[in-house]
Amino acid sequence: DVKVTQSSRYLVKRTGEKVFLECVQDMDHENMFWYRQDPGLGLRLIYFSYDVKMKEKGDIPEGYSVSREKKERFSLILESASTNQTSMYLCASSLDRFNTGELFFGEGSRLTVL
Amino acid sequence: RKEVEQDPGPFNVPEGATVAFNCTYSNSASQSFFWYRQDCRKEPKLLMSVYSSGNEDGRFTAQLNRASQYISLLIRDSKLSDSATYLCVVKMTTDSWGKLQFGAGTQVVVTP
Repeated sequence: DVKVTQSSRYLVKRTGEKVFLECVQDMDHENMFWYRQDPGLGLRLIYFSYDVKMKEKGDIPEGYSVSREKKERFSLILESASTNQTSMYLCASSLDRFNTGELFFGEGSRLTVL
Repeated sequence: RKEVEQDPGPFNVPEGATVAFNCTYSNSASQSFFWYRQDCRKEPKLLMSVYSSGNEDGRFTAQLNRASQYISLLIRDSKLSDSATYLCVVKMTTDSWGKLQFGAGTQVVVTP
């Protein structure tokens, strides 16, 4: 089974803090994604990566950055957390660029920014 | 207007009954369609892809209507374990990097 592991299930941070969300997948997938999920809005893509050191902006990249130094690891960084970044963050991976319909998600990281 | 719209529900369904719901998409160039299932406080998981000719997977039937730009999901003989939020997902272009657009989900509650 594909396993996508997110390092923190629940985080509480203060406005202005730097936040790191880590994601690791164990199936040698090329593509990795970060989404946020908010009630009534569905999942919105923040960033994705199709290769090591490569990244592409999604729909809502403002206030976020990402890092992919190794194939299995994709990190989401909030440089200066704000209250409107309180959300559920979901990491996902997919096999390769030709198989982007099936995403494997981690369990999510629920971030609260006070 | 949202690119993918779903009735949020909840659809309250007696065990054993049939429930069906739709999802509309706005971009006529959309090429691929999927249903994901998300249990409460869990991650989404792929339920099934939706093919042009329609397809079944056990008690689940998915249909695509390109003319009216909607997809549907029908669940027969509902089980308590079918209670979940069903996410409609649309791949927007033929580009292999076509973006997946997620609907906000339709909640289904199966009652004893």
